[in-house]
Amino acid sequence: TQLLEQSPQFLSIQEGENLTVYCNSSSVFSSLQWYRQEPGEGPVLLVTVVTGGEVKKLKRLTFQFGDARKDSSLHITAAQPGDTGLYLCAGARWAAGNKLTFGGGTRVLVKP
Amino acid sequence: NAGVTQTPKFQVLKTGQSMTLQCAQDMNHNSMYWYRQDPGMGLRLIYYSASEGTTDKGEVPNGYNVSRLNKREFSLRLESAAPSQTSVYFCASKPGQGFFSPPNEQFFGPGTRLTVL
Repeated sequence: TQLLEQSPQFLSIQEGENLTVYCNSSSVFSSLQWYRQEPGEGPVLLVTVVTGGEVKKLKRLTFQFGDARKDSSLHITAAQPGDTGLYLCAGARWAAGNKLTFGGGTRVLVKP
Repeated sequence: NAGVTQTPKFQVLKTGQSMTLQCAQDMNHNSMYWYRQDPGMGLRLIYYSASEGTTDKGEVPNGYNVSRLNKREFSLRLESAAPSQTSVYFCASKPGQGFFSPPNEQFFGPGTRLTVL
């Protein structure tokens, strides 16, 4: 069992639909990050959330950090083919020396 | 600015062979990291270097060694490759020194896809 569980593992939707990706844990995190990774490339940071209940928006992407800082979600409104990729959440815990722990990833495919 | 570069992009080894994966960054970052990525398991930390001259083990260090050659370069060596080391390897860097220095954003290279037969 991974410390950070992402769901679903795979999501295929049509262009224009909405989607939500979840990142859950039983541990508390000091901060949580979301990365997007495209085939053949390394992950690229989308956002960092640090406060329980925090909501951040990046154009059509909305990120939320749970009140207890144990979970997070990524919501994409009106998805576009350019949103296709692997979405990774990564959490830092003070107890683990603030090292990043990554979830298993959610592969998103947006079909035109 | 090239960011984080990795060589080679692809490599096939036979069991027992050795090789070194190279990583360099031109952003004057202090911390550098090596991860491996396996399907469904996200990225797992192999080794890291919080600053020039220091290295420490991460979550999965067995079978690997590292060298922080200078501030720019951080190499990963497989002394005797095994099929279980078939993976995609990513190098990353961040500005601060160590995990507690903000910001916590890590910048990743494009990866090396390694197959061990």
